[in-house]
Amino acid sequence: EIVLTQSPGTLSLSPGERATLSCRASQSVSSNYLAWYQQKPGQAPRLLIYGASSRATGIPDRFSGSGSGTDFILTISRLEPEDFAVYYCQQCGSSPFTFGQGTKLDIK
Amino acid sequence: QITLKESGPMLVKPTQTLTLTCTFSGFSLSTSGVSVGWIRQPPGKALEWLALIYWDDDKRYSPSLKSRLTITKDTSKNQVVLTMTNMDPVDTATYYCAHRSSHTSNWSFDYWGQGTLVSVSS
Repeated sequence: EIVLTQSPGTLSLSPGERATLSCRASQSVSSNYLAWYQQKPGQAPRLLIYGASSRATGIPDRFSGSGSGTDFILTISRLEPEDFAVYYCQQCGSSPFTFGQGTKLDIK
Repeated sequence: QITLKESGPMLVKPTQTLTLTCTFSGFSLSTSGVSVGWIRQPPGKALEWLALIYWDDDKRYSPSLKSRLTITKDTSKNQVVLTMTNMDPVDTATYYCAHRSSHTSNWSFDYWGQGTLVSVSS
């Protein structure tokens, strides 16, 4: 089973700042099968990034994904008020299709 | 337009079996490359993947819950059913179903239902 560890657990930033979220895997993940989701309170998760770096339909270009192997990054270039939420990474390539424990992005 | 919606009991008693139904539209689970999964989230906690069923009826389960889970599909009704036996209060969570496809998003979950909160209590 691939364990995904996200850091930091909580990230406090201000609107307009740049956010960098990390997802580290216990073993190599094909870069085709790493996804990032955003979840706001009371809502279902929303797919942001698939294949480590491809934006899902309708996702603003301030969101970008990078990385390969065991280290992946989600970057939000300039935070908007609506970006403050919890972010999860997931590996989609091999069962079990595990999620990370999440990074909470809150307003400083 | 792809939509999914979960349905089932809001409250179950310990030791009972939970049956959840995911009713979807906008795609067919008989199309090659398509699958539907179940994911849960205890209150205030992280997402946990539970089970997945593929268009060809192949199935995958979370190893820690495999003995308690069964996933099935009814292609004619556009439904996927998840059963979980021997429910315990720690199984209290919001349960989501979600669509994934090899054609659109490299097997990530690109469409989600709204979720259904299931509480386990006597």
